[in-house]
This record gives sequence, structure tokens and C-alpha cells, in this order.
Amino acid sequence: GAVVSQHPSWVICKSGTSVKIECRSLDFQATTMFWYRQFPKQSLMLMATSNEGSKATYEQGVEKDKFLINHASLTLSTLTVTSAHPEDSSFYICSARDSGATNEKLFFGSGTQLSVL
Amino acid sequence: GENVEQHPSTLSVQEGDSAVIKCTYSDSASNYFPWYKQELGKGPQLIIDIRSNVGEKKDQRIAVTLNKTAKHFSLHITETQPEDSAVYFCAAFNAGKSTFGDGTTLTVKP
Repeated sequence: GAVVSQHPSWVICKSGTSVKIECRSLDFQATTMFWYRQFPKQSLMLMATSNEGSKATYEQGVEKDKFLINHASLTLSTLTVTSAHPEDSSFYICSARDSGATNEKLFFGSGTQLSVL
Repeated sequence: GENVEQHPSTLSVQEGDSAVIKCTYSDSASNYFPWYKQELGKGPQLIIDIRSNVGEKKDQRIAVTLNKTAKHFSLHITETQPEDSAVYFCAAFNAGKSTFGDGTTLTVKP
């Protein structure tokens, strides 16, 4: 099956610093990728839709200047948490859809646990 | 917009028993319904999916049923094993937009 690689798997940073998370589709091209945030024992909350070569579409209530998304190639999207604060600590997950497929299957990365001290 | 409700939130079964998780959706235009398994500290993994033109799909011990009229779909796991213990999410897709259920924590006791 299609593989989505997400790095890092965990990161600890100081308050005020920025953190970049990468999401790569390894064996397929993805014009669209998605970024989610997940709190313990809760469902996935869609943050934004990442579109290759254009601006990301953010969900209501998500600060686009805080969560910068770049989708510069068909296999890579990055999420940068700028000026991170303890309340940004969470599990972040990406997913991608195969651009060459006719179905809507989503393939998820393994997630990134962010802890802001 | 779409609303997906998932029940139960927790489910505990004895090894070898069956487990059933149910989801209801509100938007009749939704046409794709995947189920994901998420283990602790990992991303969700697609385990089975069904499209709206199909009523049932089976893959070894896992099956999904869809009732379009009632707008609900269910995940069935037979002969459960301890490694089936995880959180399971259903989702409903409409024109590429997905809505997830709140998840079911399944515990299979040896």
C-alpha cells in the first residue's frame, strides 16, 4: 500500500521557538495533503488542507500565521508551528491522497508528538 | 455540514468474540466510508472501506456494512485477538471532504 512518512515522530522544544514537521508521500504523488491535530482520547481535528503549488486552506479557528503550511512539491508538505507555546503541545498527523488514483483513499503518516516546554 | 456519530466510545470483548462498532452520518451525499485503526502513538491505518453503491464488504475477519437509507454503517470484527485492541475511527467522505467519528476504544481481553 501507499506509504506516508512523517518526521519527526516526536519533538520537544522551548516556548517561543518554531518547529517544522515534514510529511512525505513515498511511492505516490499527492497534490493534496491534510494536517490534523489530535488531543488525547479524542478524534482527529482537521487543521488545514495543503495544496501543491498554492496556498493552504485553513479550517475555521486555525491561525494560518501560527501554523505555516508549505506544499512545494508533489511529495512533500511541511507544517511549521511558529513561536510555539505549551498550549500547542499535541499530536499532529498528516494524510495524503494519491493524485493518480480514482478513489478517495487517505493514507496517514505516523504522527508527531510535539511537547512545548 | 456532515455529522458523524460513533458508538460505543469504549468496547471490551473476550478474545475470540465478535466486536461491532456503529456509525451514523447525516449527509445523504456522502459516498465513501472508511474505517481506520489507530494504535497508541501512531497514525490511523486504513483497515477497510466501502462506497455507497455497495452494501457489504469483507476482508478476512473484518467486514463493513452500509445502510444508505438509514444512513448508518458498521464495522464487524470476528474472532477478535488481543492485537485488535486499538482505537477505531469511522469517517464519511463527500466530494473529498472527510468527517471523522469520535472513535471507539476496543479492548480484547485474553
